[in-house]
Amino acid sequence: EAQVTQNPRYLITVTGKKLTVTCSQNMNHEYMSWYRQDPGLGLRQIYYSMNVEVTDKGDVPEGYKVSRKEKRNFPLILESPSPNQTSLYFCASSLSVGDTEAFFGQGTRLTVV
Amino acid sequence: GESVGLHLPTLSVQEGDNSIINCAYSNSASDYFIWYKQESGKGPQFIIDIRSNMDKRQGQRVTVLLNKTVKHLSLQIAATQPGDSAVYFCAEAYAGGTSYGKLTFGQGTILTVHP
Repeated sequence: EAQVTQNPRYLITVTGKKLTVTCSQNMNHEYMSWYRQDPGLGLRQIYYSMNVEVTDKGDVPEGYKVSRKEKRNFPLILESPSPNQTSLYFCASSLSVGDTEAFFGQGTRLTVV
Repeated sequence: GESVGLHLPTLSVQEGDNSIINCAYSNSASDYFIWYKQESGKGPQFIIDIRSNMDKRQGQRVTVLLNKTVKHLSLQIAATQPGDSAVYFCAEAYAGGTSYGKLTFGQGTILTVHP
C-alpha cells in the first residue's frame, strides 16, 4: 500500500530533550516536506527536500533540522524542543517538485512541557 | 479526533444536498489552486486541483471554480454524503521560482453532513 508513515503518532517530552520524528514513504517520491498545524494558523511548511541531500527552509524552520540521506526517509529533528513547538506535525511527499498531489502521513501530536 | 482549528468557518448540510465551500486567496501569482480534505485524526488528502489559466475543473462528484477577478476559489460537492464530513483546505502552489513545490494552505472550512 502506498503510504507515508510517521512515528511516533503521539509524543510528550520535556523542554530541551532532543527528539526525532521519523517519516518514510514507499512511493519513490522525490519531494518531501514537513508541516506543522496549529489552531487558527492552518498548515505551515517547516522544511522541504527536492531530492536526496537537497533540503531547504520553509516558512517556519526555526528550532528544527532535517536530513535526507535516503530517498524514502525524511526525519524531523528538534535539537532542543520548547513549548512553542507543541503542535501537530505532518510529513508529506509528492512525486516531484511542483506536483500538487501531496500524500500526507497520519500526523504526530507533539507536546513539549 | 485531532483538533485542527478554532473558529473556522463551518458549513452544515443535509445528506444528498450539494455543498459549496469557498476560499478567498490573496496571491495573484499562484500557478495552481488545490483542495485538500482532512478527516478527523488523519492527514490532508488531495481532492482536486486547477491551473490558474482555467476557470472550472470537474472531478468525481466535485467541481472547482476559479474566479481570478475577485480572487475566489470554490469547491462544489454534489450529493453530499456523511463521509464528506471533514475540514476542507484550499492551497496555492507555484510552477517555478523560489516557492516552487511549496503548498500554502488556507485556514480551512469545517463541513458537517447530517444524515
